[in-house]
Amino acid sequence: QKEVEQDPGPLSVPEGAIVSLNCTYSNSAFQYFMWYRQYSRKGPELLMYTYSSGNKEDGRFTAQVDKSSKYISLFIRDSQPSDSATYLCAMVTQGGSEKLVFGKGTKLTVNP
Amino acid sequence: DVKVTQSSRYLVKRTGEKVFLECVQDMDHENMFWYRQDPGLGLRLIYFSYDVKMKEKGDIPEGYSVSREKKERFSLILESASTNQTSMYLCASSPRAGTGNTIYFGEGSWLTVV
Repeated sequence: QKEVEQDPGPLSVPEGAIVSLNCTYSNSAFQYFMWYRQYSRKGPELLMYTYSSGNKEDGRFTAQVDKSSKYISLFIRDSQPSDSATYLCAMVTQGGSEKLVFGKGTKLTVNP
Repeated sequence: DVKVTQSSRYLVKRTGEKVFLECVQDMDHENMFWYRQDPGLGLRLIYFSYDVKMKEKGDIPEGYSVSREKKERFSLILESASTNQTSMYLCASSPRAGTGNTIYFGEGSWLTVV
């Protein structure tokens, strides 16, 4: 079983839709959970960061962590064409950026 | 703003050539990383460095070496490029005590080996 599983998509939605992106993981020691956004031919940029379980909201984006189910989600409300990108989940145990484990990414297209 | 700069964005090299990919960061970060990113395989760690002249192998170090002579600069070296090293290469940096939310990526270097 891979440490982090992420559906690669592609996912295509109309503008204004609510988007749900998800990752599952197997290592219960993961404590820090991140979502990165990567535009075509660019490097990933940090979008959301959550420590342990719970929700975190930032504008149209909500990150959710359910450690009991080993499941994390990113919700995008009122999606815009500018949200079209690949979204990567990532997670790490206590400390150590070098131990960051990434999902393979989900490609999202928001159609105007 | 943190800046991680990869000087070469697009390169085409011949099989057997020695290739240098350069990366510079301006935030005085201790840690620097080289990843490669391939469709269907995601991001894979090649090497990382936690200090000048220090290096550690990542998940896929074969065929690569690195150099860190100065804190701000981390170079990836392909001693003898092969076609299976055609990929996008991402450099990143983070503070020593980074917990994943403080890792910053460069724009990527697209390498084609023919």
